[in-house]
Amino acid sequence: QSALTQPASVSGSPGQSITISCTGTSSDVGGYNYVSWYQQHPGKAPKLMIYDVSKRPSGVSNRFSGSKSGTTASLTISGLQAEDEADYYCNSYTTNSTWVFGGGTKLTVL
Amino acid sequence: EVQLVESGGGLVQPGGSLRLSCAASGFTFSSYVMSWVRQAPGKGLEWVSAISGSGYSTYYADSVKGRFTISRDNSKNTLYLQMNSLRAEDTAVYYCAKECVVGAPRGAFDIWGQGTTVTVSS
Repeated sequence: QSALTQPASVSGSPGQSITISCTGTSSDVGGYNYVSWYQQHPGKAPKLMIYDVSKRPSGVSNRFSGSKSGTTASLTISGLQAEDEADYYCNSYTTNSTWVFGGGTKLTVL
Repeated sequence: EVQLVESGGGLVQPGGSLRLSCAASGFTFSSYVMSWVRQAPGKGLEWVSAISGSGYSTYYADSVKGRFTISRDNSKNTLYLQMNSLRAEDTAVYYCAKECVVGAPRGAFDIWGQGTTVTVSS
């Protein structure tokens, strides 16, 4: 199972909005509404930010939102803050009853 | 407090074996699908294996199928990963993770352990 495709890096200024894409196939992202997004700061365990494409776990800021169109899922962060600088990973269920992560995107807040 | 604590990592030679454990507390362990996710040094996340709440259903990534075995002991609130025939490419930090919703697995891991490091080298 190949990793989902994410941009290696994105950047934005404080207060701006950014979107991170996650492209898969009809066997994963396009076939199921089981896409999740994780934030990982250096040396820390990942944190769940979005699940089931667009649901936010309790305690996650509403500045984070998720969506999907066809085989591409997206994570949007609005009102960028310095603490949003981190690596972000998408994850999707696949037809093989397995899960696949994206390669990760490094977000830089300028 | 909901918590996962991994143990069992270490240095092992290629071809060797290791058993990881993950002690859970603060939630009804038997109700949740549990997974192992690993991260090689400087690399991204890789899902490794998952197990249903009852332990009846197990799932594996192709990269570890036939070499790794996931299991759980609900009486001890503990998750395991038996790793055999280890290779250099298995070197990583191994995290155990809890699904955020009871029921079918969806890859939504809301609680993670601190990770345990496995190094495969001669």
